[in-house]
Amino acid sequence: TQLLEQSPQFLSIQEGENLTVYCNSSSVFSSLQWYRQEPGEGPVLLVTVVTGGEVKKLKRLTFQFGDARKDSSLHITAAQPGDTGLYLCAGEQGAQKLVFGQGTRLTINP
Amino acid sequence: KAGVTQTPRYLIKTRGQQVTLSCSPISGHRSVSWYQQTPGQGLQFLFEYFSETQRNKGNFPGRFSGRQFSNSRSEMNVSTLELGDSALYLCASSLELVEQFFGPGTRLTVL
Repeated sequence: TQLLEQSPQFLSIQEGENLTVYCNSSSVFSSLQWYRQEPGEGPVLLVTVVTGGEVKKLKRLTFQFGDARKDSSLHITAAQPGDTGLYLCAGEQGAQKLVFGQGTRLTINP
Repeated sequence: KAGVTQTPRYLIKTRGQQVTLSCSPISGHRSVSWYQQTPGQGLQFLFEYFSETQRNKGNFPGRFSGRQFSNSRSEMNVSTLELGDSALYLCASSLELVEQFFGPGTRLTVL
């Protein structure tokens, strides 16, 4: 059973469109992180959200942590081909232990 | 500052063999975690070491083991390899925080 469910698992859209990726759980996390992974590389940390209801922006990316700290979303505005990759959410479950979602594979077509 | 390095990058083994993978963390990072990534199961936590002690462990059989040296470098070992062990093995280092800095991974293929 996956503690963190990401949706959609696959998403292919045209350059310039907006999109939202969701990360849901029945468990409460003390923090939640988003990573992006490109082929042949390890995941790279994008953001950490800690407070329920917190919103963080990273250029065209907006991250939100749910009020109950059980879910999160990633919204990308005006997607570009460089945004292509595997997006992973990870919840902090106990000291120094992360639980990862299965990922959303995003493809932005020029 | 140099990132996390992992060696080797690619490895091919046969069933029944054993393998050792190496990870050098970012300088100053004392926590090293290992993950297995497969298309079907995603990223799964293997174990975490801090100051040469295993601090956390995932739900993997005893064939998977690891250790950390006094310079924070870490190795993981898989004995009696099975076909299902084929995966990308990722190492990540961190300070006392949960935020992980990942290496490029070792792609293990078991034939």
